[in-house]
Amino acid sequence: QKEVEQNSGPLSVPEGAIASLNCTYSDRVSQSFFWYRQYSGKSPELIMSIYSNGDKEDGRFTAQLNKASQYVSLLIRDSQPSDSATYLCAVFHYGGSQGNLIFGKGTKLSVKP
Amino acid sequence: NAGVMQNPRHLVRRRGQEARLRCSPVKGHSHVYWYRQLPEEGLKFMVYLQKENIIDESGMPKERFSAEFPKEGPSILRIQQVVRGDSAAYFCASSPVATQPEQFFGPGTRLTVL
Repeated sequence: QKEVEQNSGPLSVPEGAIASLNCTYSDRVSQSFFWYRQYSGKSPELIMSIYSNGDKEDGRFTAQLNKASQYVSLLIRDSQPSDSATYLCAVFHYGGSQGNLIFGKGTKLSVKP
Repeated sequence: NAGVMQNPRHLVRRRGQEARLRCSPVKGHSHVYWYRQLPEEGLKFMVYLQKENIIDESGMPKERFSAEFPKEGPSILRIQQVVRGDSAAYFCASSPVATQPEQFFGPGTRLTVL
């Protein structure tokens, strides 16, 4: 049973601080990793994808992947109140002709002004 | 540049009725995925379809649920004889090819069963 684990939070950070979100996964052969942001009552929005070990930066967001430790993280620099949302970690396992995303339950982030 | 479209956005059904949820993928995307999100729960994979084919339905309940993606028209998720436990948000996502796994989500259909 493939699993993706996240702390449910809520994670509360002051405006301007760095928010650090963590995710672990159980399937060693997982190949692709994603972070989605979901505002309350809305659909998930893809914000980062990462495929190889190391860091990937996009604006205020940095995704970090460590396949040996089966660990993915998302850093949000200069956090803004508009970043308050639930962040979903998703892991894709592609096998043969098919694959699907396994989602964690999400971490709720609250950025206080 | 239209994204994934889903309709209806909100659907209310009484117990025992049928629910039909429709999804039109991003233009050019041939892979469609359906997910269910129960209140305060994570997204759960239900089914993966390509045109005229069900590729993976391992997450679909064995009874009352079915999905199709015909050659022409939207993908349909059909729930027969709905029960209160079916109340959830149902999201459709699409991707261009199976080897490019980034999936883009539609706005969802919120099903309420009375």
